Amino acid sequence: AQKITQTQPGMFVQEKEAVTLDCTYDTSDQSYGLFWYKQPSSGEMIFLIYQGSYDEQNATEGRYSLNFQKARKSANLVISASQLGDSAMYFCAMSPLDSGGGADGLTFGKGTHLIIQP
Amino acid sequence: DSGVTQTPKHLITATGQRVTLRCSPRSGDLSVYWYQQSLDQGLQFLIQYYNGEERAKGNILERFSAQQFPDLHSELNLSSLELGDSALYFCASSVGAGAYNTGELFFGEGSRLTVL
Repeated sequence: AQKITQTQPGMFVQEKEAVTLDCTYDTSDQSYGLFWYKQPSSGEMIFLIYQGSYDEQNATEGRYSLNFQKARKSANLVISASQLGDSAMYFCAMSPLDSGGGADGLTFGKGTHLIIQP
Repeated sequence: DSGVTQTPKHLITATGQRVTLRCSPRSGDLSVYWYQQSLDQGLQFLIQYYNGEERAKGNILERFSAQQFPDLHSELNLSSLELGDSALYFCASSVGAGAYNTGELFFGEGSRLTVL
C-alpha cells in the first residue's frame, strides 16, 4: 500500500516569490511514479509534473520543478515566481509501476491550499 | 479542456436511489479511472478499466459498480445511496494501461452528487 503525506494544509505566499509544497510518501514498491496536480476553485484536476522513481534528474515543467529525494522519500513541488493564478489546491500523488510499465490508480495526499497574495 | 467528458455535471437525489455517471475518455485513450473526492476522505481511487476490462480496484463500495463499453466510454453506477455518498466523482483517462507512458491522467470536470 502507498501513502502520501502533505503536511501543509494551507499556505499564504507573496506574489513573485518561490513556493515549495511538501510531499512525503511511503511505499514498498521498487518502481513508482510521483505526480503533482492542481485543482483550482472551478474543480478540475490539472496535471503539473511527473517523476519516475528511476529518474536520476529532477523533473521540470516551465515554472514547476519537482525536488525528488528518494532516500528521504520526498517529492516536493517548487513553483518559481508565483502568480495570482497559482492560487489553488495542490495534490501530490503516486502510483506503483508494474513490470510492464503500467500503473494502477493514483493514491493522493490530502492537498495543500495555496493562496498567492498580491 | 482535457478532452474527458463527464455527465451530468450536477446531480441531486434522495437516499436509497440509484444514479449513473457517464464518462467519455479522450480520443485514443484506452484506460479509464474513477475517483471520489469528499471533504473528509479526500481523493479516493475507486476503479480502473483498460480496453473494456477491469484492471484495478480501489476503495469502491459493493453498492457501486462500473463498466467500460466497447466504444470505451464508462459508466459508474451508484445504488442504495446514502448521505455520505455526496461527493465529487471524477473520471480520468490515459493512453495505456496506466499513467506510466505519458506521466499523466487526464481528468474530466467531475460530477457533483448531492444525496438528500
